[in-house]
Amino acid sequence: DAKTTQPNSMESNEEEPVHLPCNHSTISGTDYIHWYRQLPSQGPEYVIHGLTSNVNNRMASLAIAEDRKSSTLILHRATLRDAAVYYCIISTAGTGNQFYFGTGTSLTVIP
Amino acid sequence: GAGVSQSPSNKVTEKGKDVELRCDPISGHTALYWYRQSLGQGLEFLIYFQGNSAPDKSGLPSDRFSAERTGGSVSTLTIQRTQQEDSAVYLCASSFYAGINEQFFGPGTRLTVL
Repeated sequence: DAKTTQPNSMESNEEEPVHLPCNHSTISGTDYIHWYRQLPSQGPEYVIHGLTSNVNNRMASLAIAEDRKSSTLILHRATLRDAAVYYCIISTAGTGNQFYFGTGTSLTVIP
Repeated sequence: GAGVSQSPSNKVTEKGKDVELRCDPISGHTALYWYRQSLGQGLEFLIYFQGNSAPDKSGLPSDRFSAERTGGSVSTLTIQRTQQEDSAVYLCASSFYAGINEQFFGPGTRLTVL
């Protein structure tokens, strides 16, 4: 399974965009990129996922590099409720979709 | 609708005792996953079920760990002869099927082994 590398922590000012990077240089052609976030004392929650093309949903956007070796989660306007640990996860289609989490990026939002 | 529920929410046990952790998935979800999160660590995949079958048990840390799922619904994770290193939050997730789709996580069971 492809490993992911993320910065340990990042800070953002409230109402500004946030770009959370993730490197996954060993990704294979059938691997999907998922982002989940975990608020304190809660289980992770889904943010977004994609394969090759950039993806948008009501929570965020996912920008995937052309070679797929990296991706960026974009929160368009950070709020205090977005303070969480963000995990970039790679899963392989056809293997049950088990997630192998890295250590994630702890996002602090400054009022 | 109801989300994934887990019980107990907290469990304190003595080293060497057996514990059972329960997960109730979202109704209609055929896939169920177990993870654990040790203090200050990321989440570690343990095992998943598609229906009542667990195709890959290699993520279980040792033979003291076992899991079962009955009726395609409730799952139980059993840890025998608990050790202090088993202390962690055990998280369960479910999804419509064991493929590329959203996993819904429960609140977890915090296990403390004294």
